[in-house]
Amino acid sequence: DIQMTQSPSFLSASVGDRVTINCKASQNINKYLNWYQQKLGEAPKRLIYNTNNLQTGIPSRFSGSGSGTDYTLTISSLQPEDFATYFCLQHNSFPWTFGGGTKLELK
Amino acid sequence: QVTLKESGPGILQPSQTLSLTCTFSGFSLSTYGMGVGWIRQPSGKGLEWLANIWWDDDKYYNPSLKNRLTISKDTSNNQAFLKITNVDTADTATYYCARIYWVFDYWGQGVMVTVSS
Repeated sequence: DIQMTQSPSFLSASVGDRVTINCKASQNINKYLNWYQQKLGEAPKRLIYNTNNLQTGIPSRFSGSGSGTDYTLTISSLQPEDFATYFCLQHNSFPWTFGGGTKLELK
Repeated sequence: QVTLKESGPGILQPSQTLSLTCTFSGFSLSTYGMGVGWIRQPSGKGLEWLANIWWDDDKYYNPSLKNRLTISKDTSNNQAFLKITNVDTADTATYYCARIYWVFDYWGQGVMVTVSS
């Protein structure tokens, strides 16, 4: 199985900050990496697919990058609605596996 | 508009079979490339992929639970199902279904399932 190590687990930031969240795969996942946002009681929402493709309707302050084993989600300027939990998913090979999640909190 | 909604028993006892239903709208499981998957998340823990089913009835299961899982679909009624046999307290979690268009895009809000004697 491919292990996805996500960091940090918790992140405190302020509105307007630029933040980055990382996912490291235990082997090459060929850019088959998605990012999701999860708010309490809501359905998870896909932000980025295949490393760097912005889901329709998602603000452009969200971006993704990476290759091989290392991937990053960047939020360029945090907005109040961005405080949530974020997680990555690799779908290069079965079993699909998730990162452990990053809880983004207001500082 | 794509929506998915999970339903389940809420609570069940150890050794019973958990039956979950995903009722969806806005897409068809007869469309090429479409599928539905199941994912779970124990409280305070990470997400675990369980199983996928595709438009052509192809199925994939998480090997860690493979012998206990059965995924199926009812294309006519826009539903997908997951059964987990012989449940244990470790199966207590929020269970999500998600649409697959090559990979998970739209998710349901999840349903909580508690296994307790």
